[in-house]
Amino acid sequence: DIQMTQSPSTLSASVGDRVTITCRASQTIFNWLAWYQQKPGRAPKVLIYKASTLEDGVPSRFSGSGSGRDYTLTISSLQPDDFATYYCQQSSSYPRTFGQGTKVEIK
Amino acid sequence: QLQLQESGSGLVKPSQTLSLTCTLSGGSIDSDANSWSWIRQPPGKGLEYLGYVYHGGSTYYTPSLRSRVTMSLDKSKNQFSLNLTSVTAADTAVYYCARDRRGDNAMDVWGHGTTVTVSS
Repeated sequence: DIQMTQSPSTLSASVGDRVTITCRASQTIFNWLAWYQQKPGRAPKVLIYKASTLEDGVPSRFSGSGSGRDYTLTISSLQPDDFATYYCQQSSSYPRTFGQGTKVEIK
Repeated sequence: QLQLQESGSGLVKPSQTLSLTCTLSGGSIDSDANSWSWIRQPPGKGLEYLGYVYHGGSTYYTPSLRSRVTMSLDKSKNQFSLNLTSVTAADTAVYYCARDRRGDNAMDVWGHGTTVTVSS
């Protein structure tokens, strides 16, 4: 299985901050990387797929980048609705695997 | 608008079988060659991928559960299902169904999730 390692596990930030979350795969995943946002009691929601493609309807303050093993999710200006847990997920091979999550908290 | 809804047993006794169904509305489960997946999330923990059933009926199961899990598709009911046998407390989780979108591998449609507790 491909292991996905996210950092940090928790991030404290303020509204308006630029936020970056990283994800490292145990082997190259050829940009088959998605980012999900999950709020308490809710299902995950896809934000980014294929490393950098923004899902329809997702605000443009979210962006993704990376290649090979290393990927990044950036929120350019954190909004109140963005406080949530974020997961990366590789879809290069089965089983699909997720990072352990990054909780973005209010500072 | 596509929607998925999980249903099934919320409380299962140890050693028994967990059975869940996911119903698609707003579209056909037989269209576009998508895969239909199950993911679970133990209380306070991260997401675990369980496997998928393809629109043609083929399946993939995550190796750690392969001996206990079965997934299937019922096109006539626009549903797919998950059976997990010999459950233990470790199988207690919120179970989600999701569409694995063909071509870009994004899980773009999710059910709300259903809580399954394994307890005597």
